[in-house]
Amino acid sequence: AQTVTQSQPEMSVQEAETVTLSCTYDTSENNYYLFWYKQPPSRQMILVIRQEAYKQQNATENRFSVNFQKAAKSFSLKISDSQLGDTAMYFCAFMKPNSGYALNFGKGTSLLVTP
Amino acid sequence: NAGVTQTPKFRVLKTGQSMTLLCAQDMNHEYMYWYRQDPGMGLRLIHYSVGEGTTAKGEVPDGYNVSRLKKQNFLLGLESAAPSQTSVYFCASSYRDHTSPYNEQFFGPGTRLTVL
Repeated sequence: AQTVTQSQPEMSVQEAETVTLSCTYDTSENNYYLFWYKQPPSRQMILVIRQEAYKQQNATENRFSVNFQKAAKSFSLKISDSQLGDTAMYFCAFMKPNSGYALNFGKGTSLLVTP
Repeated sequence: NAGVTQTPKFRVLKTGQSMTLLCAQDMNHEYMYWYRQDPGMGLRLIHYSVGEGTTAKGEVPDGYNVSRLKKQNFLLGLESAAPSQTSVYFCASSYRDHTSPYNEQFFGPGTRLTVL
């Protein structure tokens, strides 16, 4: 079974600064996808970024980038130039091929961006 | 293009009552999912469907039933609601293509259910 661990329940960062959210996972699969989803107070789940395990290059999406360490089973999210609108819960998720490609989520990290 | 919609948005039930949550998607996606979100727990998979007429159990299926009679709809039923089923329920859908099965899931806005 795959498990996803987010060890930081809450984090805070000042506007314009950089913050890194950590995520580790456990799997015996060799090919898989990892995702970061954002959930603002509106409750809507929004895809931030995704990483394909067979790609060594770390994914980037504008101010968001990941540090994917396959051997260490680590998948951290870096947010650069933090903005007030980045305040949200952030969930790391592992896609499970043997369960209809459903997502296995971590418990989340609550990020607060302060002025 | 409405994406993924959920009906209702809020509902309060008494213990023992039944209800059905409706999820609809207009993106012609094959895969559909029901998750529940509880405080401090993240989202957990209840049931999923890989196509019209097929359903399968997820991580926390007890107390729920599902049906996928039409490709665009995925229904989640509670036959006899319990306070432990108080939660926010999310529906999601995704597609498959020949290049990769690992495609993004699109989420609905959620349904907040309270069972008294």
